[in-house]
Amino acid sequence: EVQLQESGPGLVKPSQSLSLTCSVTGYSITSNYWGWIRKFPGNKMEWMGYISYSGSTSYNPSLKSRISITRDTSKNQFFLQLNSVTTEDTATYYCARRDNPYYFDYWGQGVMVTVSS
Amino acid sequence: QITLTQQAESLWVSPGEKVSITCRASQSLLYTDGKHYLSWYQQRPGQTTKALIYHASIRTDGVPTRFIGSGSGTEFTLSIEDVQPEDIALYYCLQTLKKPWTFGGGTKLELK
Repeated sequence: EVQLQESGPGLVKPSQSLSLTCSVTGYSITSNYWGWIRKFPGNKMEWMGYISYSGSTSYNPSLKSRISITRDTSKNQFFLQLNSVTTEDTATYYCARRDNPYYFDYWGQGVMVTVSS
Repeated sequence: QITLTQQAESLWVSPGEKVSITCRASQSLLYTDGKHYLSWYQQRPGQTTKALIYHASIRTDGVPTRFIGSGSGTEFTLSIEDVQPEDIALYYCLQTLKKPWTFGGGTKLELK
């Protein structure tokens, strides 16, 4: 069974970088597409970006200058880095697999990240 | 970018009733392959987000038949027939036709 698990600090200071890890079991990240999605307080959801089976990336233009998604295929993990965070980046962050019919079929539980001094 | 509007933030329903959740897109979600790139998701507290429907009307594996996706062009509906207590959740639509992929604002299904 495909499982995804997010991990990372729950509190980040403004202007610092947010770094999260998504650990995948039951499926290789060298197949399919692997994305990050966040849910803000108030329930708005935002697709942040993805890394593909080949390592190519695609980002939401609203984040393009601040976001980086990378991976470690030996550990079957992929990572999110969001730079220069503000309180507006406070959200629950999810990692998910995008299947070929272009939908997210497996999701992690989500990790809540608060940006606060 | 494509905007998805879920008009209802909340819907109240009794067990056994039918409920419909709508999602309106700012432009057609029909691609040249004849498919609509619209999917539906369920979020319940303490559970991972569940994909219910993709390509507007195709149920994902294991999703009960009471969940029905319909619509075309810019108007889409997720209907739940014979609502069960476990269907009380937050529901989102998502378009993956054009980047940036965008979500609807979410509709919370609540018990009367």
